[in-house]
Amino acid sequence: NAGVMQNPRHLVRRRGQEARLRCSPMKGHSHVYWYRQLPEEGLKFMVYLQKENIIDESGMPKERFSAEFPKEGPSILRIQQVVRGDSAAYFCASSKGPGELFFGEGSRLTVL
Amino acid sequence: KNEVEQSPQNLTAQEGEFITINCSYSVGISALHWLQQHPGGGIVSLFMLSSGKKKHGRLIATINIQEKHSSLHITASHPRDSAVYICADTDKLIFGTGTRLQVFP
Repeated sequence: NAGVMQNPRHLVRRRGQEARLRCSPMKGHSHVYWYRQLPEEGLKFMVYLQKENIIDESGMPKERFSAEFPKEGPSILRIQQVVRGDSAAYFCASSKGPGELFFGEGSRLTVL
Repeated sequence: KNEVEQSPQNLTAQEGEFITINCSYSVGISALHWLQQHPGGGIVSLFMLSSGKKKHGRLIATINIQEKHSSLHITASHPRDSAVYICADTDKLIFGTGTRLQVFP
């Protein structure tokens, strides 16, 4: 029973490129959460999704960031036209519903 | 907006000591998470609790919903307990800034 899988684990992008981060939740989990952790800072909530729906995106920057959780396949966090300030660890967590969260290992984005 | 505060921010201990980490929040919540983040960055959910006390091995978590306060205790601490411990409200998933624990042999 695989845990939450995130890929890539490490991603390097140049300024202006696009970054796509993928999260496959645990089997049977239909709730996905994305968080960002800037260097030397705490975790910050970004977005909460259920299959094909964005439930809460109050933590998402207004521009360049988008997230989806399609009916089939992983959840994707997309960052367009990356800037150096986007360099961070992006964590995904999944759950069956409101309750215990299971975290992925994170995707570390470095923007050159 | 809920403010979630943890204390202390940094904590060092000798192996075997009893550890307490505190978490206070400003807005009433239905439940609270305690998370552990290891130096490598991976995050593990330790507890989710809405009342009373939960115990798992050497870890004990308590919460007082009325007082808006929770504590995480580690008994007989060990160097492998060294990590950042984070509390978060489950309603809006607002995280505390974390408590960095180092346990020395």
